Amino acid sequence: EIVLTQSPATLSLSPGERATLSCWASQSVSRYLAWYQQKPDQAPRLLIYDASNRATGIPARFSGSGSGTDFTLTINSLEPEDFAVYYCQHYTNWPPITFGQGTRLEIK
Amino acid sequence: EVQLVESGGGLVQPGGPLRLSCAVFGFTFSNYGMNWVRQAPGKGLQWISYISKNSGKIYYADSVKGRFTISRDNAKNSLYLQMNSLGAEDTAVYYCARNMAGQVYFDYWGQGTPVTVSS
Repeated sequence: EIVLTQSPATLSLSPGERATLSCWASQSVSRYLAWYQQKPDQAPRLLIYDASNRATGIPARFSGSGSGTDFTLTINSLEPEDFAVYYCQHYTNWPPITFGQGTRLEIK
Repeated sequence: EVQLVESGGGLVQPGGPLRLSCAVFGFTFSNYGMNWVRQAPGKGLQWISYISKNSGKIYYADSVKGRFTISRDNAKNSLYLQMNSLGAEDTAVYYCARNMAGQVYFDYWGQGTPVTVSS
């Protein structure tokens, strides 16, 4: 089973700042990694797939990078609606499909 | 508009069964693989099952294997999850999620249905 570890657990930033979220895989997942945003009492929303492709309707301030075992989600110029929990997920060598434990992005 | 609508959640006693349904709208259901993902209270996301578009491939997480059964009815545009021998550890919000053709990441999710296992 591939384990995904996200860092940090909580990130405190102000609107307008840049957020950098990390996801490490216990073994290479090539570029088969997705990122999701989840707000309280809502379903997750796909942000990024194949490590760096934005999903339909996702603003350009969201970007993904990385390959192999190290991945980054960057959110430029944070908007108030960006404060949420973010999860990474791999989709190689499955089952099982696994998610990271999440990074909570909170307003400073 | 793509929509996934789960139903069937509720309070169930330990050891009991429950059947979840997911009705889909706005896309050709028979062209997509489908999944169930759950989230325990205050916890992260856990994938639990996948079914291919024609039901030819079915996979489960180890935590539910032998207790849960995923199925689908393409004629009814519906996905199901039969859950048996439920325990407190199965308490969660259960989401159905569509995966993109060829890759198992989830582009559309339902709103979730809560399942509480308690006496």
